This record gives sequence, structure tokens and C-alpha cells, in this order.
Amino acid sequence: SQTIHQWPATLVQPVGSPLSLECTVEGTSNPNLYWYRQAAGRGLQLLFYSVGIGQISSEVPQNLSASRPQDRQFILSSKKLLLSDSGFYLCAWTFVRTSGSGNTIYFGEGSWLTVV
Amino acid sequence: GENVEQHPSTLSVQEGDSAVIKCTYSDSASNYFPWYKQELGKRPQLIIDIRSNVGEKKDQRIAVTLNKTAKHFSLHITETQPEDSAVYFCAASPVYSGGGADGLTFGKGTHLIIQP
Repeated sequence: SQTIHQWPATLVQPVGSPLSLECTVEGTSNPNLYWYRQAAGRGLQLLFYSVGIGQISSEVPQNLSASRPQDRQFILSSKKLLLSDSGFYLCAWTFVRTSGSGNTIYFGEGSWLTVV
Repeated sequence: GENVEQHPSTLSVQEGDSAVIKCTYSDSASNYFPWYKQELGKRPQLIIDIRSNVGEKKDQRIAVTLNKTAKHFSLHITETQPEDSAVYFCAASPVYSGGGADGLTFGKGTHLIIQP
């Protein structure tokens, strides 16, 4: 079966410091990978998605970036955090769609980021 | 692109009563409609989904109905229990056009409160 893990689970970072969140998927190959952000009490905002190694698409312009150095690894980074970057970050994956019908998206455990 | 509206944003019901959450979507080509439950501080998890060739689907106390003509779908929870308290998200997935990630468009969520 497939599993997804992300870490760290929680972190408190000062404004202007760098960020690195990591996510890995096991039990499948060539998944579609996603980073979502959820502000407190809010909905799910898609930040980045990737359909393959080195292929990153950004949905929202910001000071965050994403990378996919390996097939099942997805990293969210920032060089300088802002207060507004605080939130709950979720990595997710889907199977590659091979037909016209959509696929279920599976979320990692999430990472709570507090920028102080 | 797809737009998903979800109502209500907050729903409070007495334990044992039924709860109904409604979503509308804009893209008539969307064909996959999952529902996620997110408990406080945890990841969203799939609870039920429906594809466009089906009008209703049930799983014990939860059911989802789809009206493709009106472009709306609903989540029904019967005999609500305290553990049903959570935020519920609906989503819609358009027909795959190839070349990109398998995007789900989420509603903004409904906070369901079960009153004892």
C-alpha cells in the first residue's frame, strides 16, 4: 500500500529565516505531488504541483519554492520567511490519471509552521 | 477553471439529528466529487466520493448525492455522533485534459458541530 510522510511536524521560525519541509511517498512510482497551505480556520490553498522529477508548477506567486529531486520526494523551501507564511502545510499525492475520471488525493500528516 | 462553492460555512446540529452540506460547481465537465473530513490539527481524509455516472452513494451513516443537471452535490450524515464534529471539504475534479497535474478544486469547508 501507499504511504506519504512529511516532516517536520511542527516548527517555529523567526522572520527572515529559511524553510525546508520535506515529503516522501512510498509504495508507488511517478505520483503527482502537491503542496497545499491552510491558514488557521481556512480552506486549502494549492501552492505547487509536480508531474515528474524537476517539473514544478506554481499556483500562487510568493516567496516559497518547491523542488522534486527524486521521483517520490517533494520539498518546499523558502529563503526568507514572512509572518504571513505561518500556517498548516500539507503535502499530497495522486496516481497519474490515465483516463478521463479524476483521482483521489491523499494528504500527508501536515506541518505546522509558526513564523515569529 | 473550476469554481466550487460550499454551504454552510458552519453547521450546528443536535446529536442524533441529520446534517447536510451542499456544494455547487461551475465546470459541467467535472466528473469526480470527493468529500474530505478534517479533524482539528490533522490531515484531511477521504470519507466518500462519487463519480458522474452515479447519482447517489452510501456508506453506513454517510451518503453523497449528485445532480449533474443542476451542478450540485451534497453530503448527508445521519444519526450524527460527537466524533462527526470536524471540518468537511467538498471538491470537484474536471475531465483530464493531459499535460498537467490532476487538480482538485476544493470548497472552503464546513465546520460541523455536534451538540450533545
